[in-house]
Amino acid sequence: GDSVTQMEGPVTLSEEAFLTINCTYTATGYPSLFWYVQYPGEGLQLLLKATKADDKGSNKGFEATYRKETTSFHLEKGSVQVSDSAVYFCALRPTGGSYIPTFGRGTSLIVHP
Amino acid sequence: NAGVTQTPKFRILKIGQSMTLQCTQDMNHNYMYWYRQDPGMGLKLIYYSVGAGITDKGEVPNGYNVSRSTTEDFPLRLELAAPSQTSVYFCASLTANTEAFFGQGTRLTVV
Repeated sequence: GDSVTQMEGPVTLSEEAFLTINCTYTATGYPSLFWYVQYPGEGLQLLLKATKADDKGSNKGFEATYRKETTSFHLEKGSVQVSDSAVYFCALRPTGGSYIPTFGRGTSLIVHP
Repeated sequence: NAGVTQTPKFRILKIGQSMTLQCTQDMNHNYMYWYRQDPGMGLKLIYYSVGAGITDKGEVPNGYNVSRSTTEDFPLRLELAAPSQTSVYFCASLTANTEAFFGQGTRLTVV
């Protein structure tokens, strides 16, 4: 079945540091790929997405590129802020059937001033 | 546009009690899902529905039931609550061309 593997956290950074959170997936066909963010006490919300190979999703300074050859969708940001502290989930959605999203375990990011 | 609305936000149940977690979406999405989130364990799918009148089990359905009488509503029923059901529950919906939209969650404690 489909699966998503992302790096374990917590990831602890100082403000303005570079962020990478690794994500790899296993799926048949050509799934859509997503990064969601969850702030404390809230539900998940979409951060960015990519629907086909080589697409780059971007939002709020975050970027991720759909790499089919390496089955990866790593999340990057050049300069993190304290307000980026949250849990980040990588996810895929298959392109047919019941469209059941599969989520990674989540990576907690803590940014210190 | 309200999106996905879950009620209640918090609940404490005693062992053996029952309750229904409500989920409503106003986006006319066909697909709806219930997940539970345990600390450090990500999201686990409990039940899902591909349309009104159609439901199916996910990864961890034991101890739960669902119904989907309308496109908008997808309630989750807990019968005979157990401490192992202490968790945060999320409802989500989507269409074939969108990302998943999540509710704010219901934090349930069984004591």
